Amino acid sequence: KQEVTQIPAALSVPEGENLVLNCSFTDSAIYNLQWFRQDPGKGLTSLLLIQSSQREQTSGRLNASLDKSSGRSTLYIAASQPGDSATYLCAGPGGGFKTIFGAGTRLFVKA
Amino acid sequence: DAGVIQSPRHEVTEMGQEVTLRCKPISGHNSLFWYRQTMMRGLELLIYFNNNVPIDDSGMPEDRFSAKMPNASFSTLKIQPSEPRDSAVYFCASSLWDRDYEQYFGPGTRLTVT
Repeated sequence: KQEVTQIPAALSVPEGENLVLNCSFTDSAIYNLQWFRQDPGKGLTSLLLIQSSQREQTSGRLNASLDKSSGRSTLYIAASQPGDSATYLCAGPGGGFKTIFGAGTRLFVKA
Repeated sequence: DAGVIQSPRHEVTEMGQEVTLRCKPISGHNSLFWYRQTMMRGLELLIYFNNNVPIDDSGMPEDRFSAKMPNASFSTLKIQPSEPRDSAVYFCASSLWDRDYEQYFGPGTRLTVT
């Protein structure tokens, strides 16, 4: 059974720091992966999608990479800002048609 | 595009009542997913439709839960009778059929059963 773990569960950093969020799958056969952001009381917003032919994706200050041999992904946030405060979830194939989600990393960026 | 639309945004009901949640997927998307999110269990897939047909409903917790997709632009998730443990945020998401890994989420319905 595929499981996904996100580390750390919570993170508090001062504004301006670079930070890394981690996501790992028990079954390393990950052919695509998506990172989402969720603000309190809101839905999920897609940030980055790494498809089967890719190893990483970049959008602004965000960079996500996927190591398909180990089933691990990292989300790098450069020069963090208070507006980055949210929960970040990774999601990948869970077998069959299912997508499974990590529990998320709650990020708080202090001004 | 307006994105995935869900209604109502909030629902408060008493135990035993019937609850119906509604979803309008993004136009042109032919895969639709219903999820439930709780603090304890995180985000769980309840049911997946492709071209209006339920493909995988193994995540539906009990017979009290049912979902329909009568056409490509509308789906419902019904709970009858509702129980306090059904309290959660219910999300609908849609995608193109060959890009199930790229899902777009609605804003969710926060259900509280008292």
